Amino acid sequence: EVQLVESGGGLVQPGGSLRLSCAASGFTFSSYWMSWVRQAPGKGLEWVANIKQDGSEKYYVDSVKGRFTISRDNAKNSLYLQMNSLRAEDTAVYYCARARNNWNYDYWGQGTLVTVSS
Amino acid sequence: AIRMTQSPSSFSASTGDRVTITCRASQGISSYLAWYQQKPGKAPKLLIYAASTLQSGVPSRFSGSGSGTDFTLTISCLQSEDFATYYCQQYYSYPRTFGPGTKVDIK
Repeated sequence: EVQLVESGGGLVQPGGSLRLSCAASGFTFSSYWMSWVRQAPGKGLEWVANIKQDGSEKYYVDSVKGRFTISRDNAKNSLYLQMNSLRAEDTAVYYCARARNNWNYDYWGQGTLVTVSS
Repeated sequence: AIRMTQSPSSFSASTGDRVTITCRASQGISSYLAWYQQKPGKAPKLLIYAASTLQSGVPSRFSGSGSGTDFTLTISCLQSEDFATYYCQQYYSYPRTFGPGTKVDIK
């Protein structure tokens, strides 16, 4: 059974940093593109970043470029999102998702809430 | 960035109804479109990809059609478990973008 379990969310002050983790199981992690998608409270879905199987390609939404870094450790079956210079508008539930063929997202984690507030 | 719009933004329906949700892309995306269902407090669930291919395990009452800029999601006979919010998403180019969602609630 495919499982994605996010962790690392919490309350952080504006300008602060946070690192999200996603532990994957039930599939060959190193064979899939992976993604982060977020959802602000009461709002719709927003794609944040994608990373290729070997980490050689990464893509970001413009609003997080230069502040967020997606990475992975295939030996640990884990995906990460390093978030720096956090802003109030980054407040959201962050989902880890498996990106089939770098296209759509066929499995999602339960999400982890990041709240940026003073 | 490709902008995705959906209509309607919300509507009420009854179990057994046939419902159709429309998604439009600001430029042509061929068939690089997916549909997701999300229930409150839960992660989205993939329903359809490649505009019309049903994801494994999804009931056959769900169907998708369209290509280019105009797409539809149809639920042939609405069931109680189908009351949710539905999102379309294009994966033709970066940044990946989602529609704003269509909320289907009980009449």
